[in-house]
Amino acid sequence: DAGITQSPRHKVTETGTPVTLRCHQTENHRYMYWYRQDPGHGLRLIHYSYGVKDTDKGEVSDGYSVSRSKTEDFLLTLESATSSQTSVYFCAISESETGANVLTFGAGSRLTVL
Amino acid sequence: AQSVAQPEDQVNVAEGNPLTVKCTYSVSGNPYLFWYVQYPNRGLQFLLKYITGDNLVKGSYGFEAEFNKSQTSFHLKKPSALVSDSALYFCAVREGADKLIFGTGTRLQVFP
Repeated sequence: DAGITQSPRHKVTETGTPVTLRCHQTENHRYMYWYRQDPGHGLRLIHYSYGVKDTDKGEVSDGYSVSRSKTEDFLLTLESATSSQTSVYFCAISESETGANVLTFGAGSRLTVL
Repeated sequence: AQSVAQPEDQVNVAEGNPLTVKCTYSVSGNPYLFWYVQYPNRGLQFLLKYITGDNLVKGSYGFEAEFNKSQTSFHLKKPSALVSDSALYFCAVREGADKLIFGTGTRLQVFP
């Protein structure tokens, strides 16, 4: 099984502060994803990556940026956190090298913006 | 854009009874469809997928799903529910080659 580690697992921050969430995989999977989970909305795709320095936007990308400088790490940054970004964030990888297929998810990062 | 809809926020079923969790899809072309389950305070886990072939797909933990093209549905089923099946279930569809789009989720509650 692919190992996925998200950090931090819990964070409380204040409005206007920058926040970075990290997703680390132990295998060299090409595709990595950031989703947010909110009641009534299910999972919504924020950004995804299909290789080092190759990223694209998802459904709810406003207010978020990502970076992937190494295959194993995919960073999600909130430049200036807002209360609407309070959510649980999940990182995922695709075990297919040709696109989205079976995704393996991390344990999640719960972010609270006060 | 591809999408899936899960019309029920919650499904309640007694242990031992059959269960169905509904999902309908809207896609152009042939759909790639998935079911995932989320237990409390955990990430999502893959249950099963339909890409092509047999309309009845079997997956993990005794779950199966029936692909129905005429009704654009991909309902999740299990012949006999267990209390331990209580969880949040998500249907998903592949959009393009690179993305999975998820539904809003259905909470399954199995009562003893």
